[in-house]
Amino acid sequence: GAVVSQHPSWVICKSGTSVKIECRSLDFQATTMFWYRQFPKQSLMLMATSNEGSKATYEQGVEKDKFLINHASLTLSTLTVTSAHPEDSSFYICSARGSDQTMSWNEQFFGPGTRLTVL
Amino acid sequence: GEDVEQSLFLSVREGDSSVINCTYTDSSSTYLYWYKQEPGAGLQLLTYIFSNMDMKQDQRLTVLLNKKDKHLSLRIADTQTGDSAIYFCAENGNTDKLIFGTGTRLQVFP
Repeated sequence: GAVVSQHPSWVICKSGTSVKIECRSLDFQATTMFWYRQFPKQSLMLMATSNEGSKATYEQGVEKDKFLINHASLTLSTLTVTSAHPEDSSFYICSARGSDQTMSWNEQFFGPGTRLTVL
Repeated sequence: GEDVEQSLFLSVREGDSSVINCTYTDSSSTYLYWYKQEPGAGLQLLTYIFSNMDMKQDQRLTVLLNKKDKHLSLRIADTQTGDSAIYFCAENGNTDKLIFGTGTRLQVFP
């Protein structure tokens, strides 16, 4: 159980276009989803926390108008990279936390990641 | 703020034990976690330890926690080539966010 999928697994786009990445919890309801960015050979950097039905909370330094997050249902969150530029090229990973989780026990289930390349 | 540090690289021979170390700064974490990331993939939770424990063993994995020194380690017994991956420790302090370490790349050679 506890499977999280991401779509697409990789995408190449032209500079200036927008790209949407989907994150789905397949067999559980995720009240909270997290979006991370990972640069090559580096750790995961939390970009934002997304709660179903409310606005996402962005980490310091992350542009909310650049990285639009929508968490419209308990099984789907989307990240849209607007007007993408080459410096947005990265590995984007989402995770989901079930509705039965508490703040102290923070088991997050991770998606396989989406590799974005902006030309 | 929170800071989680790990050594960047570890190389071991197949069959030997691997020890991956992690230091953290936030003593309010209730749980500490170890995740494994294989190339081009997301993260998989390997094991975790509750902050009032000193040690936890789970098959080939042994987690040691020194809360006084804020030091966490992961020992993998009888390391196999399939264990080659990046290992991240993580803590969540007193928040609902996971703070990940810098990651340790484990390379197992025959």
